[in-house]
Order: sequence, then C-alpha cells, then structure tokens
Amino acid sequence: SAVISQKPSRDICQRGTSLTIQCQVDSQVTMMFWYRQQPGQSLTLIATANQGSEATYESGFVIDKFPISRPNLTFSTLTVSNMSPEDSSIYLCSVVGSAGGSYGYTFGSGTRLTVV
Amino acid sequence: QKEVEQNSGPLSVPEGAIASLNCTYSDRGSQSFFWYRQYSGKSPELIMFIYSNGDKEDGRFTAQLNKASQYVSLLIRDSQPSDSATYLCAVKSTSGTYKYIFGTGTRLKVLA
Repeated sequence: SAVISQKPSRDICQRGTSLTIQCQVDSQVTMMFWYRQQPGQSLTLIATANQGSEATYESGFVIDKFPISRPNLTFSTLTVSNMSPEDSSIYLCSVVGSAGGSYGYTFGSGTRLTVV
Repeated sequence: QKEVEQNSGPLSVPEGAIASLNCTYSDRGSQSFFWYRQYSGKSPELIMFIYSNGDKEDGRFTAQLNKASQYVSLLIRDSQPSDSATYLCAVKSTSGTYKYIFGTGTRLKVLA
C-alpha cells in the first residue's frame, strides 16, 4: 500500500493566520482526499483533490477557507486560512489503495492543529 | 439519523475474550464496508473490508455483514491489550467516487 508523508505533524497557530499542510505520496495516485477529525467526532471529508483540476469540496467547506493544490500525482497541500479556534482539529490526507482487493484508504500521519 | 452509527463505548473486555463491535448504516445502496483501527494520537489504519453478506475472517478478526439489516460488525478473538484502540466503521458512499462515510468510532479497552 502507499506510504504518505504528511507535515507538519502538529502546530499551534494564532487566530487570523494560515497554515499549509503538505502530503507526499510514494506512488502516483489520481485522487487524494482531505479529512478533518474534530475531538469526539467522526472523520469528515473536506474535499477531493484531483491532479489537473479544481478540488471538489463537500457541503460546508469552501475554497476560500480551505484552498487545495494538487500540482502532480504524488503531492497535495491543504491550507487552512484565516484560522479561528473552531479550526482546531486533526487534518488527514488519504489515498485509495488497492492492495488485496480493498479500496479502503491509506491515511497520512495527520496534522494536529491548535488555534489560539 | 446519522449515516453511520456506532456505540462510542468504551467497550471493556478481559484479555483473551471476544470483542464485538457493531455498526449500522442508513444508505441501503451501500456496497463496501471497512473497519479501521485508530490508536490514540495516530491516524486510522485499515484492518478489514467486506463487500458480501456473511462473514469474512482474517487472523483474529472477523467482519460480518448483513445488508438486509444494514448492519456490519467486527469480532476480535483472543483480545489483547494491544487491541485497545478506537475502531472506526466506514461505508463507501453511493454518491461520489471513493467517498467514505465514517462512524464516530467505538473505543475498545482490553483489560490485562
């Protein structure tokens, strides 16, 4: 299965600033996914990032707040813009694997964001 | 009604016992079901997937699927303290390619 390097692993940021999270995959993948996991909550899909096209955002998430780049088939970034304490969460990137007939996700190690 | 529901737990079982984790889903058209294990402070890790009604076994893990009842479960035999984690149920959405809907997870504690 794919190996994903995600960074930073954690950060503490001031409100009103922005943070860019990077994910690097060790193989070429068509789609990458960005999730948010808030304390005590399930994973919520923010957007799907396809190389060469605009990201597709889920209801409740907008490009101005969460701009995504996907410059090639192994890399993507998610920016959390104009942060507020409500953005404090774990952010995860993922790709779909096909090992053993599964089409489940492989996740990056996550970015724990605290906004103060 | 939530799309994927799990009891949040914690579910406590003694070492060596069978742990039974349950999940119900609302989309009757769902075809693919996944169980992830998430240790505290770590990202989720895929441990089982099941597409057909019935049981699927992999080592100490058995996934059970009943599409008529919209119910999927995970059994962990001979539970070990190292199995203590949160187990997330995920269902592939019928809207959107490779979009998965996750439950909130069940926290399992295996007592030594």
